[in-house]
Amino acid sequence: QVQLQESGPGLVKPSETLSLTCTVSGGSLVSYYWSWIRQSPGKGLEWIGCIYFSGTTSYNPSLKSRVTISLDTSKNHFSLRLSSVTSADTAVYYCARTYNSRAMDVWGQGTTVTVSS
Amino acid sequence: EIVLTQSPGTLSLSPGERATLSCGASQSVSSSYLAWYHQKPGQAPRLLIYGAYTRATGTPERFSGSGSGTDFTLTISRLEPEDFAVYYCQHDETFGPGTKVEI
Repeated sequence: QVQLQESGPGLVKPSETLSLTCTVSGGSLVSYYWSWIRQSPGKGLEWIGCIYFSGTTSYNPSLKSRVTISLDTSKNHFSLRLSSVTSADTAVYYCARTYNSRAMDVWGQGTTVTVSS
Repeated sequence: EIVLTQSPGTLSLSPGERATLSCGASQSVSSSYLAWYHQKPGQAPRLLIYGAYTRATGTPERFSGSGSGTDFTLTISRLEPEDFAVYYCQHDETFGPGTKVEI
């Protein structure tokens, strides 16, 4: 069965770039969308963006100027870069396999990223 | 931009009872893009329903989705202890604020 695992630094300094990778095991990137979602402490879910296996991306308009999602089919992973971070970007970041309807059926366990000097 | 609202904010029920959770959209939306999740503390969300009505793989039959246009409903016919969690609806790129189902 498909499993997703997020990885990356747990602490990022303000104004720097947050970089996370989601490694897909037990399946291929082909024919699916792949999303990043975050959840601030005690808050709800916020969709960050997604990428199709072909490389087409779609981003949350509120984050679009700072977000880049990319994928590497040879390594079976996809990545998130979020630039110019502030404390408001402190959250648990999840990656998820996504249908074309945006429903997300397989999730990673999540990784906590704290923005602090 | 579509805004989703969920009601009630908190639902206090007992095991065996029926739960009815509502999700409202600020404008008419396609049911094809409406999904429901639940999330337990410290865990990732889990997809329950997609396309407004279709149970995801592994979702028990006690969960059912209905609705169209601006009003959607998730019904849990008989609550099991593991169903006490926060429930989110999602349309396309937007999540609702959640309904907490508590004992």
